[in-house]
Amino acid sequence: SQKIEQNSEALNIQEGKTATLTCNYTNYSPAYLQWYRQDPGRGPVFLLLIRENEKEKRKERLKVTFDTTLKQSLFHITASQPADSATYLCALDIKRNTPLVFGKGTRLSVIA
Amino acid sequence: DTEVTQTPKHLVMGMTNKKSLKCEQHMGHRAMYWYKQKAKKPPELMFVYSYEKLSINESVPSRFSPECPNSSLLNLHLHALQPEDSALYLCASSQSTSGGAYTQYFGPGTRLTVL
Repeated sequence: SQKIEQNSEALNIQEGKTATLTCNYTNYSPAYLQWYRQDPGRGPVFLLLIRENEKEKRKERLKVTFDTTLKQSLFHITASQPADSATYLCALDIKRNTPLVFGKGTRLSVIA
Repeated sequence: DTEVTQTPKHLVMGMTNKKSLKCEQHMGHRAMYWYKQKAKKPPELMFVYSYEKLSINESVPSRFSPECPNSSLLNLHLHALQPEDSALYLCASSQSTSGGAYTQYFGPGTRLTVL
């Protein structure tokens, strides 16, 4: 069966460091992978989308990579700030032309 | 306008009550979704509407009844809920349901408590 794993439930890092979050998937080949941010009690907010034929995508301090051989996406936040503290969810289309399925998320805490 | 609105923000209801959650978007999106999210869990897909027709029902109990009156509105009617149905209910929309090419825009959610 299909599986999406985000490396850890929680990640604590020091302000100014780079946060790296991992999303692994098995048993399918998504055409797209998306990352969302969710603050407590709020709906997820879209951050970045990467296609299967793209290796890397950037947006300001955010960078996403997509390795279809390893079946893995890495999400980086450089120069992290306490305001970056949130839960980050990866989402994929586990079957072509079907809605996204979300991973369990990683709760990031950036400590000042 | 890239906003999805949901009302009410909070809802407390008894197990015998009937209530409705409402969702609205004016982005011209043709796909709308209901998700249920429990604490520290990912959003769990309940229903998908595509062009105002129910296209996916993820084996949700019949005490949850979705309705899409028009392309901008999505309702979720609740009846005879159980305490375990207490959760954050999220509405989302996207241009299409076709896979991961389309980003989803989420509303702020309705925090539902069933007593």
